[in-house]
Amino acid sequence: KAGVTQTPRYLIKTRGQQVTLSCSPISGHRSVSWYQQTPGQGLQFLFEYFSETQRNKGNFPGRFSGRQFSNSRSEMNVSTLELGDSALYLCASSLEGRTSSYNEQFFGPGTRLTVL
Amino acid sequence: GQNIDQPTEMTATEGAIVQINCTYQTSGFNGLFWYQQHAGEAPTFLSYNVLDGLEEKGRFSSFLSRSKGYSYLLLKELQMKDSASYLCAVRDLLGGADGLTFGKGTHLIIQP
Repeated sequence: KAGVTQTPRYLIKTRGQQVTLSCSPISGHRSVSWYQQTPGQGLQFLFEYFSETQRNKGNFPGRFSGRQFSNSRSEMNVSTLELGDSALYLCASSLEGRTSSYNEQFFGPGTRLTVL
Repeated sequence: GQNIDQPTEMTATEGAIVQINCTYQTSGFNGLFWYQQHAGEAPTFLSYNVLDGLEEKGRFSSFLSRSKGYSYLLLKELQMKDSASYLCAVRDLLGGADGLTFGKGTHLIIQP
């Protein structure tokens, strides 16, 4: 079974631009979560999608948004990029949703975003 | 909100045992995860605790005390490949379904 895939793996943008990152979950997984990882803050939760609906959102500004498609693939978008947005963006998929008492998340390899 | 604390860095010797502690404060605890992350790679799942007690899986064990808001990850017979960051993460049912809150990770260095 293929793992979580993310594209692109590396990206360089300049301040003020916008970027879209893509995540394909493991086949059959319906929940996709996005995280930002930086050396200073560690892994921070951005948002989670389940059945095309955003179910939970972390403490990030509105410049960060996402969506999920009917095939569970997800995209996240960052508008008006700032230098501080440079980070590793990780997506994780899991099988079920809220009613599952145990729900391991499988992480993709991440997209390394550099903002110049 | 949630607060998760774990040591920033630890050093241990090959063949030895190391214990990585994690303390947390959360309002709707619904499970604690440990992940391993090698430099430049994605985190990989190690263990999950939702009830008090010890969960053993090969060389790795994880312990949870919900009343104390405390967990530890125990690594035995350390190998050089165990050099990595170890992330403690808490799942808060009140905050949502699958958005975990992670600690900043413990960087474990294994010396020969």
